[in-house]
Amino acid sequence: QVQLVQSGAEVKKPGASVKVSCKVSGYNIIDASVHWVRQAPGKGLEWMGGFDPEDDEIVYAQKFQDRIMMTEVTSTDTEDASTNTAYMQLSSLRFDDTAIYYCAIMTGEISLDYWGQGTLVTVSS
Amino acid sequence: EILLTQSPDTLSLSPGERATLSCRASQSVSSRYLAWYQQKPGQAPRLLIYGASSRAAGIPDRFSGSGSGTDFTLTISRLEPEDFAVYYCQQYGNSLLFGQGTKLEIK
Repeated sequence: QVQLVQSGAEVKKPGASVKVSCKVSGYNIIDASVHWVRQAPGKGLEWMGGFDPEDDEIVYAQKFQDRIMMTEVTSTDTEDASTNTAYMQLSSLRFDDTAIYYCAIMTGEISLDYWGQGTLVTVSS
Repeated sequence: EILLTQSPDTLSLSPGERATLSCRASQSVSSRYLAWYQQKPGQAPRLLIYGASSRAAGIPDRFSGSGSGTDFTLTISRLEPEDFAVYYCQQYGNSLLFGQGTKLEIK
């Protein structure tokens, strides 16, 4: 059973950075394409970036390009609690970055097959 | 840049009725890259359809997807109470893009 479990809610001040984690169980992250999607309050889904399985590289949405970083921790050491975990760091936070941030993975087809529960990031002074 | 436009913005129907949701791309997209998601309040989105017409695992057969080129459709044959939600289409080119969503509400 594939599960994605994200880190807890965050409150940040404008200009700060936030790092959200996404631990994947039931599927090896090396074989998946991890993507990040956010949803502002009452709004639709906005793709932020992810691993392009066809070009074999991380691609970021243009609007986040200069302040986002996506990383993964992979290991064959199954005892390492930090493995099979993806991270998304967004810097220079603004008020309009307040949103629920979701991780999701593609496991074969070009679709987001499994989703995390979401992490609420609130930017407030 | 490809744009995805969903219509209608809101669809009001009764349980048992048929729902037809549209997703139109500003230029032709590969069917392989077209997916549909359902999102209920307070929940993460759930994959319904991938490759324009293939149902994801565990999705009831009342959900079906069709279309090609620039016009795609999600059809729910007979609405159940749990189907009232927001639906998003998605395409993947050199980036991933969602439509603005269609809210399916109880009439």
